Amino acid sequence: AQKVTQAQTEISVVEKEDVTLDCVYETRDTTYYLFWYKQPPSGELVFLIRRNSFDEQNEISGRYSWNFQKSTSSFNFTITASQVVDSAVYFCALSESMYSGGGADGLTFGKGTHLIIQP
Amino acid sequence: DGGITQSPKYLFRKEGQNVTLSCEQNLNHDAMYWYRQDPGQGLRLIYYSQIVNDFQKGDIAEGYSVSREKKESFPLTVTSAQKNPTAFYLCASSTQGSGEQFFGPGTRLTVL
Repeated sequence: AQKVTQAQTEISVVEKEDVTLDCVYETRDTTYYLFWYKQPPSGELVFLIRRNSFDEQNEISGRYSWNFQKSTSSFNFTITASQVVDSAVYFCALSESMYSGGGADGLTFGKGTHLIIQP
Repeated sequence: DGGITQSPKYLFRKEGQNVTLSCEQNLNHDAMYWYRQDPGQGLRLIYYSQIVNDFQKGDIAEGYSVSREKKESFPLTVTSAQKNPTAFYLCASSTQGSGEQFFGPGTRLTVL
């Protein structure tokens, strides 16, 4: 069975600090997909990134970066120079679906990390 | 504007009543999903549908039912058999092969 663990329930930092959100996953499949979503107070989930299991390259998008390490089954998310607008709940998710692109059978989510950025 | 709409935003129901949550998308997506979110918890999959007139149970389907008569619509009925229905319900959709799921704004259901 697949599982996603986000051990950090809540993180609070001061604005402009860097912060890393951890994600550890379990899966028996060799082909899988990993996702990060952001949930602001409004409740709607916002897609941030998708990564397939064959692509271990780190990715950077502005102040966001992701570190995927198959050896430790981790897919961590770092926000550099955090801002108050980054305050939200962040979810890591996994799909084992072999259907192209992943996610066709639904996603398995971690419990989320509540990130608080203090001004 | 393309997107997913869910209605109503807040819903109150008396214990023992069935209630139907609406989910509509105009993104021309084939696949649609229903998730449930409880406080401090991640999302859990209730039902999903990859094509019209077909749907599959997710991890917590008991006490729920769905239909998929049209591509753009995937309503969820919370039946009286659902023992703890108070939660935040999120609908999502995706194109086949994209992996990325787009989410609606959610419906917060409270059982009185």
